[in-house]
Amino acid sequence: KQEVTQIPAALSVPEGENLVLNCSFTDSAIYNLQWFRQDPGKGLTSLLLIQSSQREQTSGRLNASLDKSSGRSTLYIAASQPGDSATYLCAVPTGNQFYFGTGTSLTVIP
Amino acid sequence: AAGVIQSPRHLIKEKRETATLKCYPIPRHDTVYWYQQGPGQDPQFLISFYEKMQSDKGSIPDRFSAQQFSDYHSELNMSSLELGDSALYFCASSLGGTGSYEQYFGPGTRLTVT
Repeated sequence: KQEVTQIPAALSVPEGENLVLNCSFTDSAIYNLQWFRQDPGKGLTSLLLIQSSQREQTSGRLNASLDKSSGRSTLYIAASQPGDSATYLCAVPTGNQFYFGTGTSLTVIP
Repeated sequence: AAGVIQSPRHLIKEKRETATLKCYPIPRHDTVYWYQQGPGQDPQFLISFYEKMQSDKGSIPDRFSAQQFSDYHSELNMSSLELGDSALYFCASSLGGTGSYEQYFGPGTRLTVT
């Protein structure tokens, strides 16, 4: 069974800082990896999708990397803003299932 | 662009009652997934359907059943509700029966069992 872990579980940074969120998975037989954002009590917003053949994907201030062989992905957020405060989840499809990480709760302090 | 629609958005039921959650996928998407997210937990996969057939099953209790209809919408039926069923239930859709395609999530249905 795929196990997905995210480190750190919580992160608090001052506005303007660059930061990195980490995601690791145990089964490298993945099709792709998705990063999501979730605000408290709200739904999941897809941020980035990296196909297994890709190493990086960028969207605005967000950059996600994937090292499939080592079972790791990172989400880099540049110039963080208070509006970035949320829980960030990575997820990997394995077979027909979708396994979510434990999430990183990010707080950006104005 | 059209997104995944879930109804109702909020539902309050009593123990032992029955609840039905509905999911309308993005047009032309043929695959639907259901997830349960308890308070402070990450979403857990329940069940998925591809072309109206069950494609995979996760940690779905026997008290729950689901199906996908000819118009590709899906319903999750939950019977003999328990307090522990209180959670946010997400539906996602994709094009293609495997997990290789991007999943698009609905806003969720918040179920409260009292």
